[in-house]
Amino acid sequence: KAGVTQTPRYLIKTRGQQVTLSCSPISGHRSVSWYQQTPGQGLQFLFEYFSETQRNKGNFPGRFSGRQFSNSRSEMNVSTLELGDSALYLCASSTAGIRETQYFGPGTRLLVL
Amino acid sequence: GDSVTQMEGPVTLSEEAFLTINCTYTATGYPSLFWYVQYPGEGLQLLLKATKADDKGSNKGFEATYRKETTSFHLEKGSVQVSDSAVYFCALSVQTSYDKVIFGPGTSLSVIP
Repeated sequence: KAGVTQTPRYLIKTRGQQVTLSCSPISGHRSVSWYQQTPGQGLQFLFEYFSETQRNKGNFPGRFSGRQFSNSRSEMNVSTLELGDSALYLCASSTAGIRETQYFGPGTRLLVL
Repeated sequence: GDSVTQMEGPVTLSEEAFLTINCTYTATGYPSLFWYVQYPGEGLQLLLKATKADDKGSNKGFEATYRKETTSFHLEKGSVQVSDSAVYFCALSVQTSYDKVIFGPGTSLSVIP
C-alpha cells in the first residue's frame, strides 16, 4: 500500500499571501488530520476531517482551514500568511480517527518571508 | 488541561546502553498513549501504543507500560543501536466533548558507536 503523500514538499511564500497544501491518505483511510510542527511550539493539532466533514479542531485561528474530498484527499489552506506560520505541516491518515494509530506523511515545509 | 511532559534532550548514549525516556501526562477521561519516532528527514511513525491501564506496548525492542497510578508511559530499550538515533514523541489522545491529540515536545536521541 502506498503511504501518505503530501505536496508540495517545500514552499516559499511572502507575508500576506495564501497557500494551499495537499494530502493524499492511505487507500481506505477516511480520517485525515493536519499538524503544525515548529521548534518553539512542537507538534500541534490543527484539525481532522472524516468523510468530508471537519470532526475535530485544535486551537488555531480561522486563517487555517481545510477540506476533504469524496476520495478522502484533503487540502489545508492558510490565508494572510504571517512569519510565524513558517513550519513543517504534517498530514496523517487513519481508518477511524485521531484516537487510533495515525500514519504520517513526510510533511510540507513552508517558509514565509 | 490535558498535557504531555517528556524529558528534554538531547540524550546521547553509547551503543548497547540502556535507554529510558520519561513521559508523564495529565488528562481528563481515559487517554490512549502513544510513542512516535521521527528519523532524520522522515515523517513521524508509530513506535508503540497502549490503550488502557497496565497495557504494555512493544516494538523493535522498545517497551512502554501505561501506568495510571503514576500517569506515566516511559519508553525503554535494553540495548540501543546507532540506527535508533531519532526524535521520540510521547502523545495522548482523549475524548471529551470532542477528540483531541496532544504531543510532548520530543526527545532527541543520539547513539554513538
